[in-house]
Amino acid sequence: SQTIHQWPATLVQPVGSPLSLECTVEGTSNPNLYWYRQAAGRGLQLLFYSVGIGQISSEVPQNLSASRPQDRQFILSSKKLLLSDSGFYLCAWSVRRPEQFFGPGTRLTVL
Amino acid sequence: ELKVEQNPLFLSMQEGKNYTIYCNYSTTSDRLYWYRQDPGKSLESLFVLLSNGAVKQEGRLMASLDTKARLSTLHITAAVHDLSATYFCAVDISRNDMRFGAGTRLTVKP
Repeated sequence: SQTIHQWPATLVQPVGSPLSLECTVEGTSNPNLYWYRQAAGRGLQLLFYSVGIGQISSEVPQNLSASRPQDRQFILSSKKLLLSDSGFYLCAWSVRRPEQFFGPGTRLTVL
Repeated sequence: ELKVEQNPLFLSMQEGKNYTIYCNYSTTSDRLYWYRQDPGKSLESLFVLLSNGAVKQEGRLMASLDTKARLSTLHITAAVHDLSATYFCAVDISRNDMRFGAGTRLTVKP
């Protein structure tokens, strides 16, 4: 069966510091991978998605970036965090059709 | 512009009551998904509706899809406290992408 991992689970970072969030999927090959952000009490905002190694599509221009160095690894990064980057970051995967399955999430607080 | 609109956004109901959450969308998608999110947790897939007229039921929740009206409903029957959560609908917009509604935060009170 497939599983998806995210780490860290929680993170508190100062404004201007760098960020690296990691997502890995097990039990499937060549999945589509997604990064979402959810602000407190809000809906989901799609940030990036990837259909293969090195292929990244950005949905929202901002100070975040994503990379996919391996088939089942998806990384979300920032060089300098902003207060507005605080939120709940969810990684998701899909195969075949767009139904997506979500990881446990990373709660990021930028102070 | 693609829109996926849920109504209501907030719902407070008493145990034992029935209610319906609505999801309207503006694209010509024939697939719709419902997810549940508990506070502080990730999203859990509830239903996948694959065609016009599809109806699926799980316990006290029943979801339906009318692709001609571009409308899906999530009906809650005899609500219990354990159903308190945020419910999201989502729509296919391409082979690789889907769009989510804003979510309906449901609170079931004793």
